[in-house]
Amino acid sequence: EVQLVQSGAEVKKPGESLRISCKGSGYNFTSYWINWVRQMPGKGLEWMGRIDPSDSYNTYSPSFQGHVTISGDKSISTAYLQWSSLKASDTAMYYCARDGAAAGPGWFDTWGQGTLVTVS
Amino acid sequence: EIVLTQSPATLSLSPGERATLSCRASQSVNNYLAWYQQKPGQAPRLLIFDASNRATGIPARFRGSGSGTDFTLTISSLEPEDFAVYYCQQQLRFTFGPGTKVDIK
Repeated sequence: EVQLVQSGAEVKKPGESLRISCKGSGYNFTSYWINWVRQMPGKGLEWMGRIDPSDSYNTYSPSFQGHVTISGDKSISTAYLQWSSLKASDTAMYYCARDGAAAGPGWFDTWGQGTLVTVS
Repeated sequence: EIVLTQSPATLSLSPGERATLSCRASQSVNNYLAWYQQKPGQAPRLLIFDASNRATGIPARFRGSGSGTDFTLTISSLEPEDFAVYYCQQQLRFTFGPGTKVDIK
């Protein structure tokens, strides 16, 4: 079974750093991009960026470029989303999602369970 | 940047009725459009990709159509478990529409 399992909920103070994780299993982790999606309380879905786990090449939405860093460790089939200095406005649910297309314009066929980040 | 708009914002229907949800792109995305369903407290679930292809395990009552800038998700006969929020997403740069909430009338 293809699965993405995310790290647990976090409560942080403004200015603190944070890294959350997304571990893939049940498939060849390096063959599919991993995306990160933000959902602020009561709001819609926002694509943040993505990483190719095979070489850690990443791309970001202009809205998130410079505010977060996406990285990965293919040896343990894990992608990361990190902040160097959190703000209260970073409070949200964060999802990782697999791009189901091996090539070309993709779609998000498998999602993690979400990691709730609270900054207060 | 490609902007997606969805209409209506809320759709109030009864079980057994047909639901028609619209998604419009600010410029052509060819057929590269996906639809997702999200229930409260759950991660989104892929329904449709490439405008009209059902994802694995998605019932036949869900049908996607359209190309270019105008797309439709049709649920032929609403089941109780279909009441949720539906998002469209353009597959070129991955932006999402604001969502349509389908609630029980």
